[in-house]
Amino acid sequence: NAGVTQTPKFQVLKTGQSMTLQCAQDMNHNSMYWYRQDPGMGLRLIYYSASEGTTDKGEVPNGYNVSRLNKREFSLRLESAAPSQTSVYFCASNQDKALYNEQFFGPGTRLTVL
Amino acid sequence: AQSVTQLDSQVPVFEEAPVELRCNYSSSVSVYLFWYVQYPNQGLQLLLKYLSGSTLVKGINGFEAEFNKSQTSFHLRKPSVHISDTAEYFCAVSGRGSTLGRLYFGRGTQLTVWP
Repeated sequence: NAGVTQTPKFQVLKTGQSMTLQCAQDMNHNSMYWYRQDPGMGLRLIYYSASEGTTDKGEVPNGYNVSRLNKREFSLRLESAAPSQTSVYFCASNQDKALYNEQFFGPGTRLTVL
Repeated sequence: AQSVTQLDSQVPVFEEAPVELRCNYSSSVSVYLFWYVQYPNQGLQLLLKYLSGSTLVKGINGFEAEFNKSQTSFHLRKPSVHISDTAEYFCAVSGRGSTLGRLYFGRGTQLTVWP
C-alpha cells in the first residue's frame, strides 16, 4: 500500500516549457487535490477533484490545468511554465463524505522554472 | 468558508523546553481541526486531529492540542521538545458537513529546537 505517489520528485524547466506532474493513490479515495507550497504562504489549493470526471478550481488555478484520468490518478499540467510557478507541489487525497476530512499527502515535486 | 491564522511564523526553543504553537480559526459552521507536520524535504504527515468529544487531543510524538470553541483556538503543545521535532507545523480546518473534504491551511510555523 503505497498511499499517494508523485512523479517526478524534482524538475527544472525553462520559461515557456510545458510539463505534467503525475499523482496516483491506491486508497480508493474519491477526492484528490493539488497544492502548491511557497515559503511563508503555507499550502494553497490549485485544483481539486471530488470524483472521477469532475474537477474544480481552488485558490490559485491560473496557469494550470488538471485531468482526473480515473479514480486513482490526478495530473497537473503547466502549459507554459513561468518563474512564478517555481514551487513545491503536493498531491493529496481523501474519502469524501467521510466522518472527517483527513487528507493524505504525497512526497511532493520540487519544480524550478528558470 | 473557513480560515486559519498561525500567529507565529518561527518558534525557536531549546531542547527539553516546553513549546506551544498557536492556531486560531474562523468559521461559520462547526469544524474539524488538524495539525500536520512537515519534516525537511518531506510531505505532510498528520500529527493529530479534533473531530468531537474531549477537547484535549493527543497525537503522535508526545504532542497534544486543545480545542477551545469560545476562543476559536486549537493550540499545539509539547511539554519537552527534542531536536528531532524541528519541522514546520501546519494547522488546518475543515467545515463539518461539507460534501468535499476540503482543508484550509494556515501559513505554517517553523519550530527549531536548539541543543
